[in-house]
Amino acid sequence: NAGVTQTPKFQVLKTGQSMTLQCAQDMNHNSMYWYRQDPGMGLRLIYYSASEGTTDKGEVPNGYNVSRLNKREFSLRLESAAPSQTSVYFCASTAGETGELFFGEGSRLTVL
Amino acid sequence: EDQVTQSPEALRLQEGESSSLNCSYTVSGLRGLFWYRQDPGKGPEFLFTLYSAGEEKEKERLKATLTKKESFLHITAPKPEDSATYLCAGQRGSARQLTFGSGTQLTVLP
Repeated sequence: NAGVTQTPKFQVLKTGQSMTLQCAQDMNHNSMYWYRQDPGMGLRLIYYSASEGTTDKGEVPNGYNVSRLNKREFSLRLESAAPSQTSVYFCASTAGETGELFFGEGSRLTVL
Repeated sequence: EDQVTQSPEALRLQEGESSSLNCSYTVSGLRGLFWYRQDPGKGPEFLFTLYSAGEEKEKERLKATLTKKESFLHITAPKPEDSATYLCAGQRGSARQLTFGSGTQLTVLP
């Protein structure tokens, strides 16, 4: 049982390049989330999807777009990467509205 | 604006030396207070949910408690394998998302 799977695990980009982070869960969860984690700061919500076909902005959505491709998959896209987007990105899922989240292992992104 | 503050930022304990981690919160209409454990290079792992003041939850050497302003994670007779960063998060009544604290990095020395 894989849980929440994120790809890639590591990525280095140059300023202005674009990329997509992929996330898939196999727990039949309705809700999925993208967070970023920076040193000295708590996890901050970028976007979330309460159910297939819906997405909503979180605390720090600027510079990102998301797609809820189906119930299993939720992708995060950086259209024009900036150094300020250097971070560790976590995807998470849960069955409903509970805060008992299941997290992936993270995607470490560096923007030069 | 919701706020969650954890202290201390880092804590070093000898094996067997009990202590507590603090989580102060200002979350409108608190729906739930959550504790997570995060190992280096890994995603957070859920530990506990607390819903109302006075509630306590236990798991092995960990016990979480909740008041109207704070939550504590008590660690009794810790072992080196308890070394990790512990995160707390609050969820307001009307929202789906969590507000996370920045964590306490716990190191337990053998």
